[in-house]
Amino acid sequence: DAGVTQSPTHLIKTRGQQVTLRCSPKSGHDTVSWYQQALGQGPQFIFQYYEEEERQRGNFPDRFSGHQFPNYSSELNVNALLLGDSALYLCASSLSALTGREQYFGPGTRLTVT
Amino acid sequence: AQSVAQPEDQVNVAEGNPLTVKCTYSVSGNPYLFWYVQYPNRGLQFLLKYITGDNLVKGSYGFEAEFNKSQTSFHLKKPSALVSDSALYFCAVRPYKAAGNKLTFGGGTRVLVKP
Repeated sequence: DAGVTQSPTHLIKTRGQQVTLRCSPKSGHDTVSWYQQALGQGPQFIFQYYEEEERQRGNFPDRFSGHQFPNYSSELNVNALLLGDSALYLCASSLSALTGREQYFGPGTRLTVT
Repeated sequence: AQSVAQPEDQVNVAEGNPLTVKCTYSVSGNPYLFWYVQYPNRGLQFLLKYITGDNLVKGSYGFEAEFNKSQTSFHLKKPSALVSDSALYFCAVRPYKAAGNKLTFGGGTRVLVKP
């Protein structure tokens, strides 16, 4: 049973560019959340997708946007990249958005903005 | 708004000794509480959770955690630490009745188990 997968593993971008990160949830999961983990810090919630809609959003600017596809996979898009966007981006999946189910995390995408 | 505090940046323990990683939380209403572990260059791995019921929760790899409502704490414990337990540990919380499953994480505690 495949767990949560993310691509790419690493990415280097220049300030002002745009980036798209991808996530496939664990088999059977229908909810995807994205987190940003800056170096030496705990993950920060970006947003959550369920039934192809953004259901909850953290304190991140509109430069951060996402999408969920009918097969439950998801993309995170970041526009107008800033140096401060350099971080490990984690995707997490779970079953249903409304219970205390644990979330399963992927290995992350390491984004470096130069 | 909810918050999590992990007061120790690092915990050092000798192999075979008990391990405790502290966590306190603040949330409106009852909490869902979680512990995750992160190995270098890896994502977060679920260890255990408290939803309701018994205050002592048992999880993966011999870890357990005790929920204390009066002290708003959820400390992670392991009776006998292994060198392989050396990693970064995160406590997380979400309100019981909140829609969605946004987790609020603490800053993490690095555990170093010495042979």
